[in-house]
Amino acid sequence: GAVVSQHPSWVICKSGTSVKIECRSLDFQATTMFWYRQFPKQSLMLMATSNEGSKATYEQGVEKDKFLINHASLTLSTLTVTSAHPEDSSFYICSPTGDYNSPLHFGNGTRLTVT
Amino acid sequence: LAKTTQPISMDSYEGQEVNITCSHNNIATNDYITWYQQFPSQGPRFIIQGYKTKVTNEVASLFIPADRKSSTLSLPRVSLSDTAVYYCLVGGGGSARQLTFGSGTQLTVLP
Repeated sequence: GAVVSQHPSWVICKSGTSVKIECRSLDFQATTMFWYRQFPKQSLMLMATSNEGSKATYEQGVEKDKFLINHASLTLSTLTVTSAHPEDSSFYICSPTGDYNSPLHFGNGTRLTVT
Repeated sequence: LAKTTQPISMDSYEGQEVNITCSHNNIATNDYITWYQQFPSQGPRFIIQGYKTKVTNEVASLFIPADRKSSTLSLPRVSLSDTAVYYCLVGGGGSARQLTFGSGTQLTVLP
């Protein structure tokens, strides 16, 4: 159980363009979605938390207008990096959850490279 | 949010038992302790979760003392494929409170 599908696994885009990352919970309903970012040799940093049907809550220092999160259904959430710049190059990981007593499960991550 | 402290790195040899300790002095009553494993360019993978005393599954054991201010992940007879970063997280416990990742421990298993 707890299968998470995250796509794409990697993407290269030009500076100024937007990139959408999808995260799906395939065998459970995710009422909450956590989005993390991880720079090389560093730990995961929480970017935002979204609840299905509600606006996302962003961590301090994360621009909500730059990282658009949509969590319109219990099985799908998307993160759109708008007007990407090279400093946005990172590893983005989603973690959907529907049961707060259970361990988190994570997508396999998306490696974003902005040239 | 409970902050965790782990050793930055550890080395071991194949076949040895590895113990990684995590400190979480301000753990809350409802918090669980969960350990994850992460390989390069992959999302973290669940290893084991516990609340108190000892928990064992097919891959690891988790030891939690009575005061719950620390925990120890025990990996029996490690192999080269156990080389990864290991994170302990404290939280959950029935709430949507986000789990904060600490620095993690880079375990390197040598032949």
